[in-house]
Amino acid sequence: GQSLEQPSEVTAVEGAIVQINCTYQTSGFYGLSWYQQHDGGAPTFLSYNALDGLEETGRFSSFLSRSDSYGYLLLQELQMKDSASYFCAVRDNYGQNFVFGPGTRLSVLP
Amino acid sequence: DAGVIQSPRHEVTEMGQEVTLRCKPISGHDYLFWYRQTMMRGLELLIYFNNNVPIDDSGMPEDRFSAKMPNASFSTLKIQPSEPRDSAVYFCASSLGPPWGEIQETQYFGPGTRLLVL
Repeated sequence: GQSLEQPSEVTAVEGAIVQINCTYQTSGFYGLSWYQQHDGGAPTFLSYNALDGLEETGRFSSFLSRSDSYGYLLLQELQMKDSASYFCAVRDNYGQNFVFGPGTRLSVLP
Repeated sequence: DAGVIQSPRHEVTEMGQEVTLRCKPISGHDYLFWYRQTMMRGLELLIYFNNNVPIDDSGMPEDRFSAKMPNASFSTLKIQPSEPRDSAVYFCASSLGPPWGEIQETQYFGPGTRLLVL
């Protein structure tokens, strides 16, 4: 089976950089995904890492270390619209499900 | 494209009633997913289809839940009989390919159906 851990809440100010961590336990591993969800909205895909290293997409970057079963989402130049919940998700080689973490609620303050 | 379409957007029903949620995936997408989201349990995958065939229903909570995909452009999730603990937001999502693995494809979520069972 799989389990994922994320901080429940993070607060930062506009223009700052914030890192949201995700640790996972799986019986195998097949990539780490990140999703954003605004209150009352649907999850939207942000980033995916299948291999170790950093993936950059504009202001957002995602990092993966398979040896540490760890990844993070890095948000730069924070804007008020980045206030949302952020979820990591995994599927492993031997499981048959796609599991989301509990989510990290990010609050961006002016 | 209009994106993933779900109906109804809101549903209020009484315990014991049958509830049917509907989903139209993005045209050309071969994968369709049904999720449930609650404060207590978070976002859970209930079932997913590939080319209209159910591949993994291990997340379906119990026999009261059933899902079908009669064709590539339509899927239903049915709860019969409904119970108050089924109250949640139900999302449908679709993707060209699996949202994992070496050839990962983006998964697109619909707006969700907010179900309240009284």
